[in-house]
Amino acid sequence: QSALTQPASVSGSPGQSITISCTGTSSDVGGYDYVSWYQQHPDKAPRLMIYEVTSRPSGVSNRFSGSKSGNTASLTISGLQAEDEADYYCSSYSNSSTLVVFGGGTKLTVL
Amino acid sequence: QITLKDSGPTLVKPTETLTLTCSFSGFSLSSSAVGVGWVRQPPGKALEWLALLSWDDDKRYSPSLKSRLTITKDTSKNQVVLTMTNMDPVDTATYYCAQSWAILVRGLIRPKYFQYWGQGTLVTVSS
Repeated sequence: QSALTQPASVSGSPGQSITISCTGTSSDVGGYDYVSWYQQHPDKAPRLMIYEVTSRPSGVSNRFSGSKSGNTASLTISGLQAEDEADYYCSSYSNSSTLVVFGGGTKLTVL
Repeated sequence: QITLKDSGPTLVKPTETLTLTCSFSGFSLSSSAVGVGWVRQPPGKALEWLALLSWDDDKRYSPSLKSRLTITKDTSKNQVVLTMTNMDPVDTATYYCAQSWAILVRGLIRPKYFQYWGQGTLVTVSS
């Protein structure tokens, strides 16, 4: 069982927006601004999409945005495209002995 | 350009020790705020953090696997090695190394995120 809770799946039509939630505790998501999001296509390595809650690495589309409220972080993808279909994982620093925690992953389907 | 390449055996027997090597370029593990970590992913399952080695040689492990893991570095070769003892079929997974950015707060490391990842090595544990 993953430390961070994500919905197992979300879906949307091309052009629409979707939001994926990631719920933790005050020991991780709620306590620190070290939430990151990763995109993973089948049989590929994860790719960093969002870091430190809201920042985008160079080369990541501005259709991807991150936010946080309390113990829940969110990833929003606007203007959905077919290439966005993938698994998405959230991650956070944790002040517990498990230094880095991940969510269980969310499968995004573009209808 | 930062790249990482993880390598190791694709098949190990139960009770054996797994040794994985992460060869990287484009950054130095001696540079402040830099770390290299290992993350694994069983088939069809979620990512799981295993270990982290920081620029000041601080080593941290997943508590559930701490007794079985060792992470070391060879700065001259730009390599980080992860060993996992007493392998079991439940350890079957793709193992990734990744470059991490981190900070030190009151002497304790806080990894912020993993920016660059290796391609992953699928390790199957079977007799």
